[in-house]
Amino acid sequence: SQTIHQWPATLVQPVGSPLSLECTVEGTSNPNLYWYRQAAGRGLQLLFYSVGIGQISSEVPQNLSASRPQDRQFILSSKKLLLSDSGFYLCAWSWTGRTTEAFFGQGTRLTVV
Amino acid sequence: GENVEQHPSTLSVQEGDSAVIKCTYSDSASNYFPWYKQELGKRPQLIIDIRSNVGEKKDQRIAVTLNKTAKHFSLHITETQPEDSAVYFCAATSSGNTPLVFGKGTRLSVIA
Repeated sequence: SQTIHQWPATLVQPVGSPLSLECTVEGTSNPNLYWYRQAAGRGLQLLFYSVGIGQISSEVPQNLSASRPQDRQFILSSKKLLLSDSGFYLCAWSWTGRTTEAFFGQGTRLTVV
Repeated sequence: GENVEQHPSTLSVQEGDSAVIKCTYSDSASNYFPWYKQELGKRPQLIIDIRSNVGEKKDQRIAVTLNKTAKHFSLHITETQPEDSAVYFCAATSSGNTPLVFGKGTRLSVIA
């Protein structure tokens, strides 16, 4: 079976500090990978998605970047966090080439102080 | 690109009543429409989905209907229970390598 791991679960970071959130998927190969952000009480905003190693599509210009160094690893980064980067970050995966659901990780609650 | 509108943003119902959440989409090529439930502090989880070759799908107390002509789909929850209280998201996509586009969510409160 497939599982998705996302860590850490919670994070408190000062303004201007760097960020690295990691997500890995087990039990499948070449998944589509996604990073979503959810501000408090708001919807799911797609930040980045990847259909393969080194292939990253950015949906929203922002203070964040994403990388996919390995097939089942997706990393969300920032060089300098802003207060507005606070939120609930969700990694997700889906089967490549199939029109199916996305499976979400447990999420990381980031608070920038 | 695809745009998904979801209404209402909040919904309160008495326990045992029905709840209906509606979504519209803009891309006529969209052919897959999942619904997710997100409990407080948790990840969104799929509760039901429908494909464009089907008009209705039911799973116990939950049903989804799709009107391709009008480009809208709806979630119906019957005999609501307090544990149905959560945020519900609709979504749409047209292909396997195109990300799901989500509606802004509906906060459902079931009052005992």
